[in-house]
Amino acid sequence: DVVLTQTPPTLLATIGQSVSISCRSSQSLLHSNGNTYLNWLLQRTGQSPQPLIYLVSKLESGVPNRFSGSGSGTDFTLKISGVEAEDLGVYYCMQFTHYPWTFGGGTKLELK
Amino acid sequence: QVTLKESGPGMLQPSKTLSLTCSFSGFSLSTSGMVVSWIRQPSGKSLEWLAAIDWDGDKYYNPSLKSRLTVSKDTSNTQVFLKITSVDIADTATYYCARRRSRPPGFDYWGQGVMVTVSS
Repeated sequence: DVVLTQTPPTLLATIGQSVSISCRSSQSLLHSNGNTYLNWLLQRTGQSPQPLIYLVSKLESGVPNRFSGSGSGTDFTLKISGVEAEDLGVYYCMQFTHYPWTFGGGTKLELK
Repeated sequence: QVTLKESGPGMLQPSKTLSLTCSFSGFSLSTSGMVVSWIRQPSGKSLEWLAAIDWDGDKYYNPSLKSRLTVSKDTSNTQVFLKITSVDIADTATYYCARRRSRPPGFDYWGQGVMVTVSS
């Protein structure tokens, strides 16, 4: 199975601070069709996960542009340029290039 | 408006069969490329993908649980089901269903989740 390792596990930030989360894969997520099926999700406390980014860097509809994704192959990054209170929660990366589809362990974003 | 909602027994005893239903609206599973997946999350832990069924009726399972899982859909393409046999305490979790679209590819809608507790 593809193992997705997220760092850091916990991230302390102040409002307005820019932060980054890393997601490293145990194997390349580049599919034979040329797509890289790497998503980012946010799960606020007590809620179901909500999609933020698909195909590494494309924002889902309605997601603020302070969120950005980058990376390729096995190394990916989610950046928040100017944390807002509504951004707090647990962030997960997820891949569906390879079966079984897998998730990272999560990064909890908290206020400092 | 796309919505998905999971339903299940809430609590069941070890060794029993867990039956879950995902009822959805705002899209049809008969649309080419559409997929509905089941994902679970034990309290305080990360997410685990369990199974998926696509618009053509093809089914996909997590090999770690495959022998215990059965995913299916109804003929109207508005509900997807998951059965897990021989449950034990480790199957206690919140179970989500989620839509995966194909163009562009992404998991864009999730249900609210249903909590299932396995206890004697």
